[in-house]
Amino acid sequence: AQSVAQPEDQVNVAEGNPLTVKCTYSVSGNPYLFWYVQYPNRGLQFLLKYITGDNLVKGSYGFEAEFNKSQTSFHLKKPSALVSDSALYFCAVRVPILTGGGNKLTFGTGTQLKVEL
Amino acid sequence: GAGVSQSPSNKVTEKGKDVELRCDPISGHTALYWYRQSLGQGLEFLIYFQGNSAPDKSGLPSDRFSAERTGGSVSTLTIQRTQQEDSAVYLCASSFRRFEQFFGPGTRLTVL
Repeated sequence: AQSVAQPEDQVNVAEGNPLTVKCTYSVSGNPYLFWYVQYPNRGLQFLLKYITGDNLVKGSYGFEAEFNKSQTSFHLKKPSALVSDSALYFCAVRVPILTGGGNKLTFGTGTQLKVEL
Repeated sequence: GAGVSQSPSNKVTEKGKDVELRCDPISGHTALYWYRQSLGQGLEFLIYFQGNSAPDKSGLPSDRFSAERTGGSVSTLTIQRTQQEDSAVYLCASSFRRFEQFFGPGTRLTVL
């Protein structure tokens, strides 16, 4: 079964410091991986995706993620955290839907990021 | 441009009542998805629509849940005889490209 795991329920970081939110995956075949962010009482916002190509993927709001096949990881990173980055972050993997050719997302449990002054 | 919209934003109902949740996808998006977000279960896939094809209902938790998509656009998720365990945030997403799904703000359902 296709799945992702987020080992940390919460990550705390000081503003201006680099941040990393961890994600590991378990898939058969080529993984299609995503990061989404959720602010309080809001829906999910797409940050970035890895489909193929360069292992370093750049996304919205200065975030990037590094795909590591040998470690089956897709960690989210940002060089300098902002207080406004505080939110709930979800890693997700594409799972094909056999009827209609679409793809559903299977999500990790989420990591709460808290950036403090 | 306009994103995915959902209504109502909040719904409080009594156990046993039926509820309808609405989703307006991004114009031109052919695929539409419903997910549920709850404390105990995290984010779960419920149902998927692609164009005029039969929906994939593999994620619906019980036969009390149903959904339809009229004219390949607006979708309604119906929960009959609501139970307290149905309390959750119901998220709708749409996509045009094969992989990126764009989510609406969700409907928070509370069953008393």
